[in-house]
Amino acid sequence: EPEVTQTPSHQVTQMGQEVILRCVPISNHLYFYWYRQILGQKVEFLVSFYNNEISEKSEIFDDQFSVERPDGSNFTLKIRSTKLEDSAMYFCASRAGTGRRMNTEAFFGQGTRLTVV
Amino acid sequence: DAKTTQPNSMESNEEEPVHLPCNHSTISGTDYIHWYRQLPSQGPEYVIHGLTSNVNNRMASLAIAEDRKSSTLILHRATLRDAAVYYCILRPDYSGGGADGLTFGKGTHLIIQP
Repeated sequence: EPEVTQTPSHQVTQMGQEVILRCVPISNHLYFYWYRQILGQKVEFLVSFYNNEISEKSEIFDDQFSVERPDGSNFTLKIRSTKLEDSAMYFCASRAGTGRRMNTEAFFGQGTRLTVV
Repeated sequence: DAKTTQPNSMESNEEEPVHLPCNHSTISGTDYIHWYRQLPSQGPEYVIHGLTSNVNNRMASLAIAEDRKSSTLILHRATLRDAAVYYCILRPDYSGGGADGLTFGKGTHLIIQP
């Protein structure tokens, strides 16, 4: 069964450093997402990406964050200068379908645990 | 997204049916009802979705009230592996230029007793 793959599974970084979280979405999917989940809290939407551009972003997704689909298979989330409060699980997701119809399911990866020290 | 209300937690015994309720009194006519679950230390996982009619798949059944203001996710025979947080989420059929990401609430923490 196709799946969304995320690497690394765990990343430890020093405050102020840049990190790149990587995701390989399901190959024929068109919509890509990043979510985060701080320990013990809700899953929060960060950003959606379609047709090589951001289609929506939340208040959390400030100028420190960026996304890219550099080669048609990978989908990356970059945090330019990490802060302690960026420590969380980061989930990538992808969704099939054409248009903006919302009746198709999203498939999530297993997540990358980011620890900022 | 329209708001949903779920119990914080529920407990059930293994191999018994589980009925997880969700209230969504402000649902609009084009909102789909989606259910996702999150097993411990894993990413969210799609379970089922529906619009008006009851739906069945290999994982669960979704019973939707006639007025669509509530729905129930039914696990017919719970196993220990079904212990997870279950999220009921409303999604518009066509968002236009609006929200595209899923809005997760706190969900229902389902505990399965052996």
